[in-house]
Amino acid sequence: DTAVSQTPKYLVTQMGNDKSIKCEQNLGHDTMYWYKQDSKKFLKIMFSYNNKELIINETVPNRFSPKSPDKAHLNLHINSLELGDSAVYFCASSQDPLTYEQYFGPGTRLTVT
Amino acid sequence: AQSVTQLDSHVSVSEGTPVLLRCNYSSSYSPSLFWYVQHPNKGLQLLLKYTSAATLVKGINGFEAEFKKSETSFHLTKPSAHMSDAAEYFCVVSDLAYNFNKFYFGSGTKLNVKP
Repeated sequence: DTAVSQTPKYLVTQMGNDKSIKCEQNLGHDTMYWYKQDSKKFLKIMFSYNNKELIINETVPNRFSPKSPDKAHLNLHINSLELGDSAVYFCASSQDPLTYEQYFGPGTRLTVT
Repeated sequence: AQSVTQLDSHVSVSEGTPVLLRCNYSSSYSPSLFWYVQHPNKGLQLLLKYTSAATLVKGINGFEAEFKKSETSFHLTKPSAHMSDAAEYFCVVSDLAYNFNKFYFGSGTKLNVKP
């Protein structure tokens, strides 16, 4: 059973479109995250939710909107896609408290043309 | 503020020789530190973690890391490299601000293992 799963694995779309990436974890964790990995492999946190509540919101364009319908799911919706949004997006989860490691999904490679 | 510096963007070793991947961190708190590995086109897998217990931490696949507070370092080592170790390695420091687990990633070190 996959612990943290993401769909789709690959997403190719045109500029200006709206797309969503879904993430689910079956680990019973309270906290979920979205990261963006750029072409140079640098990973940066975008958002974090704890029990469906937004707790971390980095400097991300408001075209990106996370949604957590329940604590096992954290979806990422992106409006008006731009070329610079092309990246690999990783979902992760962890259990409170603070020092628990994060478990990562396989990633979604988004290509905007 | 928290940050992580991985001193080498690329490291190349021969199979069977030791591996050293260097990481320095800065943290306002007592940090938790992690090493993750990312194989090509895969997600990230935890290798090991330091959370204020023993300073020498053993992880999976024969890797270990030593937390040195005086040097603010958390270097990753392995006595003998295997071809399957070729991957990207990330050093991570955890930020305890806001009482939630915020990770700061280093820029990564690509390990190449030559036969």
